[in-house]
Amino acid sequence: QVQLQESGPRLVKPSQTLSLTCNVSGDSINSGSYYWSWIRQPAGKGLEWIGRIHKSGSTNYNPSLKSRVSMSVDTSKNQFSLNLISVTAADSAVYYCVCGVAWNYIFDFWGQGTLVIVSS
Amino acid sequence: DIQMTQSPSSLSASVGDRVTITCRASQSISSYLNWYQQKPGKAPKLLIYSASNLQSGVPSRFSGSGFGTEFTLAISSLQPEDFATYYCQQSYNTLPITFGQGTRLDIK
Repeated sequence: QVQLQESGPRLVKPSQTLSLTCNVSGDSINSGSYYWSWIRQPAGKGLEWIGRIHKSGSTNYNPSLKSRVSMSVDTSKNQFSLNLISVTAADSAVYYCVCGVAWNYIFDFWGQGTLVIVSS
Repeated sequence: DIQMTQSPSSLSASVGDRVTITCRASQSISSYLNWYQQKPGKAPKLLIYSASNLQSGVPSRFSGSGFGTEFTLAISSLQPEDFATYYCQQSYNTLPITFGQGTRLDIK
């Protein structure tokens, strides 16, 4: 079973770049038809899908964030990453890395989440 | 965007009760509807996929139904560990992928 663990800075200054990495264990990031997503949840609020990446490097992003988001896969480290530029306080949230075992946007496995605060 | 609206937003129930949660989509999404359970401080967990399919390891007291724009999650006999927040999510492959606002299930 795939296991996921997020890592990255807990505090980011406004206008800077939020960068997170998700370490994948239990299987190779290159295996099968896995799709690797990021989903966030502001404190006390609901879930927002940010985007996803396939091992091939193909990406799909939430149109509302597309101009600020990029994702990448590092197969040698079995990791994938999220970059979100020009952050504001509205980007403060728990960020989850998530695995879908197929193309169909079903989110099968979740990391425990990491809280990121945007503040000066 | 496809808007997902859950009702109720919160409900109180007792152990042993049967409860249902409704999720409505702003347009038809066929059976592309999934349900997640989230407990405080934890990541969501997939319960039901494609409207009515029980994820492996999920107790059979959970069930899902619906098609098109209206969907239901039912819990047949509430257990103490079922008190949580439940989210629906459309996976119709029309971006963005969206979630309902959540339904908080509390102990009465």
